[in-house]
Amino acid sequence: QKEVEQNSGPLSVPEGAIASLNCTYSDRGSQSFFWYRQYSGKSPELIMFIYSNGDKEDGRFTAQLNKASQYVSLLIRDSQPSDSATYLCAVNSYGNKLVFGAGTILRVKS
Amino acid sequence: DTAVSQTPKYLVTQMGNDKSIKCEQNLGHDTMYWYKQDSKKFLKIMFSYNNKELIINETVPNRFSPKSPDKAHLNLHINSLELGDSAVYFCASSQDYSGWVEAFFGQGTRLTVV
Repeated sequence: QKEVEQNSGPLSVPEGAIASLNCTYSDRGSQSFFWYRQYSGKSPELIMFIYSNGDKEDGRFTAQLNKASQYVSLLIRDSQPSDSATYLCAVNSYGNKLVFGAGTILRVKS
Repeated sequence: DTAVSQTPKYLVTQMGNDKSIKCEQNLGHDTMYWYKQDSKKFLKIMFSYNNKELIINETVPNRFSPKSPDKAHLNLHINSLELGDSAVYFCASSQDYSGWVEAFFGQGTRLTVV
Protein backbone atom coordinates (compact mmCIF):
# COMPACT_ATOMS: atom_id res chain seq x y z
CA GLN A 1 0.00 0.00 0.00
CA LYS A 2 1.33 3.40 -0.96
CA GLU A 3 1.70 5.86 1.86
CA VAL A 4 -0.31 8.57 0.10
CA GLU A 5 -2.68 7.74 -2.72
CA GLN A 6 -4.35 9.99 -5.25
CA ASN A 7 -6.25 9.35 -8.44
CA SER A 8 -3.88 10.40 -11.21
CA GLY A 9 -6.68 11.75 -13.40
CA PRO A 10 -6.92 13.72 -15.50
CA LEU A 11 -9.96 15.22 -13.86
CA SER A 12 -11.77 17.42 -16.34
CA VAL A 13 -14.27 20.02 -15.20
CA PRO A 14 -15.95 22.90 -17.03
CA GLU A 15 -15.11 26.45 -16.10
CA GLY A 16 -17.13 27.61 -13.13
CA ALA A 17 -17.72 24.11 -11.77
CA ILE A 18 -16.48 22.61 -8.51
CA ALA A 19 -13.40 20.40 -8.77
CA SER A 20 -13.04 17.74 -6.08
CA LEU A 21 -9.63 16.20 -5.47
CA ASN A 22 -9.17 13.30 -3.09
CA CYS A 23 -6.33 11.74 -1.16
CA THR A 24 -5.99 8.83 1.25
CA TYR A 25 -3.05 8.07 3.51
CA SER A 26 -1.83 5.03 5.42
CA ASP A 27 -0.15 6.42 8.55
CA ARG A 28 -2.80 6.84 11.25
CA GLY A 29 -0.36 8.94 13.25
CA SER A 30 -0.19 11.66 10.59
CA GLN A 31 -1.02 15.06 12.00
CA SER A 32 -0.52 17.57 9.20
CA PHE A 33 -1.76 17.59 5.64
CA PHE A 34 -0.88 19.83 2.74
CA TRP A 35 -2.11 20.52 -0.77
CA TYR A 36 0.42 21.73 -3.30
CA ARG A 37 -0.20 22.87 -6.85
CA GLN A 38 2.36 22.25 -9.56
CA TYR A 39 2.15 23.80 -13.00
CA SER A 40 3.92 21.97 -15.80
CA GLY A 41 7.65 22.57 -15.63
CA LYS A 42 7.39 24.50 -12.37
CA SER A 43 7.99 23.75 -8.73
CA PRO A 44 5.25 22.78 -6.25
CA GLU A 45 3.67 25.66 -4.33
CA LEU A 46 1.53 25.39 -1.24
CA ILE A 47 -2.20 26.05 -1.58
CA MET A 48 -3.49 24.98 1.80
CA PHE A 49 -2.69 23.04 4.91
CA ILE A 50 -5.04 21.44 7.42
CA TYR A 51 -4.41 19.88 10.81
CA SER A 52 -7.84 19.31 12.34
CA ASN A 53 -10.82 17.24 11.29
CA GLY A 54 -13.42 19.17 9.36
CA ASP A 55 -13.30 21.86 6.73
CA LYS A 56 -10.92 24.75 6.22
CA GLU A 57 -11.77 27.43 3.67
CA ASP A 58 -9.47 29.90 1.93
CA GLY A 59 -11.06 31.84 -0.90
CA ARG A 60 -12.18 29.41 -3.59
CA PHE A 61 -10.38 26.52 -1.90
CA THR A 62 -11.70 24.24 0.83
CA ALA A 63 -9.65 21.47 2.41
CA GLN A 64 -11.49 18.68 4.19
CA LEU A 65 -9.94 16.23 6.63
CA ASN A 66 -11.34 13.04 8.10
CA LYS A 67 -8.68 11.34 10.22
CA ALA A 68 -10.90 8.39 11.11
CA SER A 69 -11.23 7.56 7.42
CA GLN A 70 -7.65 8.68 6.68
CA TYR A 71 -8.98 10.90 3.95
CA VAL A 72 -8.22 14.45 2.89
CA SER A 73 -9.76 16.35 0.01
CA LEU A 74 -9.51 19.67 -1.77
CA LEU A 75 -12.48 21.43 -3.31
CA ILE A 76 -11.97 24.21 -5.81
CA ARG A 77 -15.07 26.31 -6.38
CA ASP A 78 -15.68 28.36 -9.52
CA SER A 79 -12.85 26.55 -11.29
CA GLN A 80 -10.85 28.65 -13.73
CA PRO A 81 -8.64 27.57 -16.65
CA SER A 82 -5.71 28.93 -14.61
CA ASP A 83 -6.42 26.22 -12.03
CA SER A 84 -5.34 23.59 -14.57
CA ALA A 85 -2.32 21.95 -12.95
CA THR A 86 -1.25 18.88 -11.01
CA TYR A 87 -2.41 18.89 -7.38
CA LEU A 88 -0.18 17.10 -4.92
CA CYS A 89 -1.40 15.85 -1.58
CA ALA A 90 1.34 15.72 1.07
CA VAL A 91 1.15 14.13 4.48
CA ASN A 92 3.55 14.40 7.39
CA SER A 93 4.28 10.78 8.06
CA TYR A 94 6.61 8.34 9.80
CA GLY A 95 8.89 10.60 11.73
CA ASN A 96 8.30 14.05 10.36
CA LYS A 97 8.77 13.07 6.74
CA LEU A 98 6.64 14.90 4.20
CA VAL A 99 5.31 12.22 1.86
CA PHE A 100 3.70 13.20 -1.41
CA GLY A 101 1.07 11.45 -3.45
CA ALA A 102 1.60 11.01 -7.17
CA GLY A 103 -0.70 13.95 -7.89
CA THR A 104 -3.98 14.49 -9.71
CA ILE A 105 -4.00 16.31 -13.03
CA LEU A 106 -6.82 18.84 -13.18
CA ARG A 107 -8.02 20.29 -16.46
CA VAL A 108 -10.50 23.14 -16.44
CA LYS A 109 -12.13 23.64 -19.81
CA SER A 110 -13.39 27.05 -20.87
CA ASP B 1 14.76 37.86 -4.39
CA THR B 2 14.60 34.08 -4.82
CA ALA B 3 13.87 32.19 -1.60
CA VAL B 4 15.23 28.76 -2.58
CA SER B 5 17.57 28.71 -5.53
CA GLN B 6 19.16 25.77 -7.29
CA THR B 7 21.87 25.60 -9.88
CA PRO B 8 22.01 24.51 -12.56
CA LYS B 9 18.45 24.50 -13.88
CA TYR B 10 19.31 22.01 -16.61
CA LEU B 11 22.02 19.40 -16.62
CA VAL B 12 22.75 17.04 -19.49
CA THR B 13 25.57 14.57 -18.97
CA GLN B 14 26.83 11.18 -20.04
CA MET B 15 26.54 7.96 -18.11
CA GLY B 16 29.36 7.41 -15.70
CA ASN B 17 30.04 11.09 -15.06
CA ASP B 18 29.95 12.77 -11.65
CA LYS B 19 27.87 15.92 -11.19
CA SER B 20 26.75 18.27 -8.44
CA ILE B 21 23.65 20.35 -7.87
CA LYS B 22 23.77 23.30 -5.52
CA CYS B 23 20.99 24.74 -3.39
CA GLU B 24 20.77 27.84 -1.26
CA GLN B 25 17.92 29.30 0.76
CA ASN B 26 17.69 32.83 2.15
CA LEU B 27 14.62 32.25 4.31
CA GLY B 28 16.52 31.60 7.50
CA HIS B 29 15.08 28.08 7.66
CA ASP B 30 16.68 25.32 9.69
CA THR B 31 15.68 22.38 7.52
CA MET B 32 16.48 21.56 3.90
CA TYR B 33 15.54 18.67 1.65
CA TRP B 34 16.27 16.99 -1.63
CA TYR B 35 13.37 15.50 -3.53
CA LYS B 36 13.40 13.53 -6.78
CA GLN B 37 10.52 13.80 -9.23
CA ASP B 38 10.45 11.08 -11.83
CA SER B 39 8.80 11.06 -15.25
CA LYS B 40 5.47 10.10 -13.68
CA LYS B 41 5.63 13.26 -11.54
CA PHE B 42 6.00 11.29 -8.33
CA LEU B 43 7.85 13.46 -5.81
CA LYS B 44 9.93 11.38 -3.43
CA ILE B 45 12.08 12.56 -0.57
CA MET B 46 15.74 11.61 -0.69
CA PHE B 47 17.44 13.48 2.15
CA SER B 48 16.64 15.95 4.87
CA TYR B 49 19.05 18.06 6.90
CA ASN B 50 18.32 20.10 9.98
CA ASN B 51 20.92 22.68 10.91
CA LYS B 52 23.58 20.80 8.93
CA GLU B 53 22.70 17.45 10.51
CA LEU B 54 21.33 14.58 8.41
CA ILE B 55 17.92 13.56 9.75
CA ILE B 56 16.33 11.67 6.87
CA ASN B 57 18.18 9.37 4.51
CA GLU B 58 15.79 7.41 2.36
CA THR B 59 16.71 4.31 0.42
CA VAL B 60 18.92 6.09 -2.06
CA PRO B 61 21.98 4.56 -3.80
CA ASN B 62 25.16 5.61 -2.07
CA ARG B 63 26.22 7.22 -5.34
CA PHE B 64 24.15 10.14 -4.06
CA SER B 65 25.89 12.14 -1.37
CA PRO B 66 24.39 15.29 0.15
CA LYS B 67 26.51 17.90 1.87
CA SER B 68 25.41 20.80 4.01
CA PRO B 69 28.26 23.25 4.68
CA ASP B 70 25.87 25.47 6.64
CA LYS B 71 22.14 25.56 7.26
CA ALA B 72 21.51 27.80 4.25
CA HIS B 73 23.12 25.43 1.76
CA LEU B 74 22.49 21.84 0.78
CA ASN B 75 24.33 20.38 -2.19
CA LEU B 76 23.85 17.05 -3.90
CA HIS B 77 26.70 15.19 -5.49
CA ILE B 78 26.01 12.22 -7.74
CA ASN B 79 28.73 9.76 -8.75
CA SER B 80 28.74 7.39 -11.71
CA LEU B 81 25.51 8.69 -13.19
CA GLU B 82 23.09 6.15 -14.63
CA LEU B 83 20.24 6.51 -17.13
CA GLY B 84 17.73 5.94 -14.31
CA ASP B 85 19.00 9.02 -12.50
CA SER B 86 17.31 11.19 -15.13
CA ALA B 87 14.65 13.18 -13.29
CA VAL B 88 13.91 16.60 -11.87
CA TYR B 89 15.61 17.18 -8.53
CA PHE B 90 14.01 19.70 -6.19
CA CYS B 91 15.62 21.32 -3.24
CA ALA B 92 13.27 22.58 -0.53
CA SER B 93 13.44 24.20 2.86
CA SER B 94 11.17 24.59 5.86
CA GLN B 95 11.33 26.50 9.11
CA ASP B 96 11.92 23.30 11.05
CA TYR B 97 11.35 19.57 10.69
CA SER B 98 8.36 19.37 12.98
CA GLY B 99 6.13 18.51 10.06
CA TRP B 100 3.76 21.33 10.92
CA VAL B 101 5.22 23.86 8.52
CA GLU B 102 5.19 24.11 4.75
CA ALA B 103 8.14 23.35 2.53
CA PHE B 104 9.29 25.94 0.00
CA PHE B 105 10.69 24.50 -3.21
CA GLY B 106 13.41 25.63 -5.54
CA GLN B 107 12.79 25.78 -9.28
CA GLY B 108 14.19 22.31 -9.84
CA THR B 109 17.13 20.87 -11.74
CA ARG B 110 16.26 18.75 -14.75
CA LEU B 111 18.96 16.11 -15.00
CA THR B 112 19.22 14.14 -18.23
CA VAL B 113 21.69 11.29 -18.42
CA VAL B 114 22.50 10.11 -21.94
